[in-house]
Amino acid sequence: QSALTQPASVSGSPGQSITISCTGTSSDVGGYNYVSWYQQHPGKAPKLMIYEVSNRPSGVSNRFSGSKSGNTASLTISGLQAEDEADYYCSSYTSSSTLEVFGGGTKLTVL
Amino acid sequence: QVQLQESGPGLVKPSQTLSLTCTVSGGSISSGDYYWSWIRQPPGKGLEWIGYIYYSGSTYYNPSLKSRVTISVDTSKNQFSLKLSSVTAADTAVYYCARSKFVPAAILDAFDIWGQGTMVTVSS
Repeated sequence: QSALTQPASVSGSPGQSITISCTGTSSDVGGYNYVSWYQQHPGKAPKLMIYEVSNRPSGVSNRFSGSKSGNTASLTISGLQAEDEADYYCSSYTSSSTLEVFGGGTKLTVL
Repeated sequence: QVQLQESGPGLVKPSQTLSLTCTVSGGSISSGDYYWSWIRQPPGKGLEWIGYIYYSGSTYYNPSLKSRVTISVDTSKNQFSLKLSSVTAADTAVYYCARSKFVPAAILDAFDIWGQGTMVTVSS
């Protein structure tokens, strides 16, 4: 069981927007602004999409955005495209001895 | 353009030690600007952070693996390495090395650069 809770799957049609949630505790997501989101295509390494809750690395489309409210972080993808179909993982720094925790991953299907 | 590349045996026998190396190119481990981590992903499952090393040799390990993990750095070769002892089938996974920005007080920021990953199977 992962430390952060994500839905197992979400889906949307091209052009639509979807949101993936990531729920933790006050010791991780709720207590720090070190929440990140990663995109992983099959057989590939994860790619950083969002860091520090809402910042996009250079080169990442502005269709990807992040936010946080309380103990839940969210990743929103607008204007869905076929290439967005992938697994998405959230992660957060945690004040527990584990130091870093990941969500279980969400499979995004573009219909 | 910084790149990371994992290398090491793809098959390890149960009870033996898994050894992997991550070679950093396009940048220096000794810059002091980053933590260098190992992360693994069992087949069909999620990600698990194993531990990090700083260029000075300072380390931090996930408590769930701490008794079996050693991460070391060789700044002269611009490499860092992972050793995981007493492996079992549960250690079968893709192992990634990754970089994260240095933040004081051992806080881990995002992993902005990842290696391509290397599959390690534990089997006799």
